[in-house]
Amino acid sequence: SQQGEEDPQALSIQEGENATMNCSYKTSINNLQWYRQNSGRGLVHLILIRSNEREKHSGRLRVTLDTSKKSSSLLITASRAADTASYFCATTLNFGNEKLTFGTGTRLTIIP
Amino acid sequence: DAMVIQNPRYQVTQFGKPVTLSCSQTLNHNVMYWYQQKSSQAPKLLFHYYDKDFNNEADTPDNFQSRRPNTSFCFLDIRSPGLGDAAMYLCATSIQPRGNNQPQHFGDGTRLSIL
Repeated sequence: SQQGEEDPQALSIQEGENATMNCSYKTSINNLQWYRQNSGRGLVHLILIRSNEREKHSGRLRVTLDTSKKSSSLLITASRAADTASYFCATTLNFGNEKLTFGTGTRLTIIP
Repeated sequence: DAMVIQNPRYQVTQFGKPVTLSCSQTLNHNVMYWYQQKSSQAPKLLFHYYDKDFNNEADTPDNFQSRRPNTSFCFLDIRSPGLGDAAMYLCATSIQPRGNNQPQHFGDGTRLSIL
């Protein structure tokens, strides 16, 4: 299965600290995306990184991609209580494939 | 605001009684997806429409069907719901020129309970 695995499964940190989540996948990808899901809600797209990119930033988010290790990380800096959510990585397998395969997710809790 | 809307947010049905979930979008996206998400799990793709072309996942049970009468609307029909079908059902859309993967936009889901 292509499904990614995320590490850790759950993470609790103090407000203001940085949070790092990792994602590993099994086969070659076209791009990797990160999504956030608040409890009982739909998923919200955060950032997309293509297979030929190594790092991308968006506000307090930083995503890295290492295709040789088949892994990605999401860093949230200066965390806020509103960042409490589940975070999923998702991959597209090949060029032209419009399907996403989601990882298992990391449940992030920010303690005020 | 352009968005993906799912109705209802909560749906209760009886074991074996057909149920239909609906999704509408104002984004004019050509691809629409249906996912099933069980508690503390990743969303699992059931099927998707690329324009009018229906694409079923190999492991989606026959009990699940879908209709897309036009660009804006897509329906998920569960013909005979079982207890194992209780889940959150998420609709998503994306705009996909062939060969250019784009982010997906999700609705807030319908939580289905089976009595």
